[in-house]
Amino acid sequence: GAVVSQHPSRVICKSGTSVKIECRSLDFQATTMFWYRQFPKKSLMLMATSNEGSKATYEQGVEKDKFLINHASLTLSTLTVTSAHPEDSSFYICSASSGEEEKLFFGSGTQLSVL
Amino acid sequence: GDSVTQMEGPVTLSEEAFLTINCTYTATGYPSLFWYVQYPGEGLQLLLKATKADDKGSNKGFEATYRKETTSFHLEKGSVQVSDSAVYFCALGNYGQNFVFGPGTRLSVLP
Repeated sequence: GAVVSQHPSRVICKSGTSVKIECRSLDFQATTMFWYRQFPKKSLMLMATSNEGSKATYEQGVEKDKFLINHASLTLSTLTVTSAHPEDSSFYICSASSGEEEKLFFGSGTQLSVL
Repeated sequence: GDSVTQMEGPVTLSEEAFLTINCTYTATGYPSLFWYVQYPGEGLQLLLKATKADDKGSNKGFEATYRKETTSFHLEKGSVQVSDSAVYFCALGNYGQNFVFGPGTRLSVLP
């Protein structure tokens, strides 16, 4: 089946630094990728939707200058958390759509801890 | 907006016990409903889905029925195994749009 690889699975960084998370579709071309964030005991919440070659669409309340999303190719999207702060600590997960109806594949997630 | 509510976990059961994880939703239109599962150390995987009212999704002994009248999509399994220990997410979605997830329910099955 289709596989989405997300890297790194866990990252610890100092406050003020930037962290990049990669999401790759390994055996299909992902026309659309989604980035989610999950707070403890809360739902997965959509942060942004990215289509290859165009700017990401951010959900209300998500700072686009803080959470930079790049979808430069049909197999790779990156989320960069800029100037990270402790409140950015969370579980981030990406998903990718091949364009087929309701086919959505997920990465394994990244646990970000900002000290 | 659309939302999904599911029962709080964790749920702890003995092997071969009956499992029910409740899920209710609010949505405009007629979304498809899904159950996703996340095993330890792995990504989310689609467990089952139903695309219209009264449809029953089933997979690996799990099943859920799309109940429009009660806006529910409860997950059931007649006899759980230790290998079913995971986090289960109820979700709704429409083609071309993002999914809305419930908070997840952690299931632990003891031998």
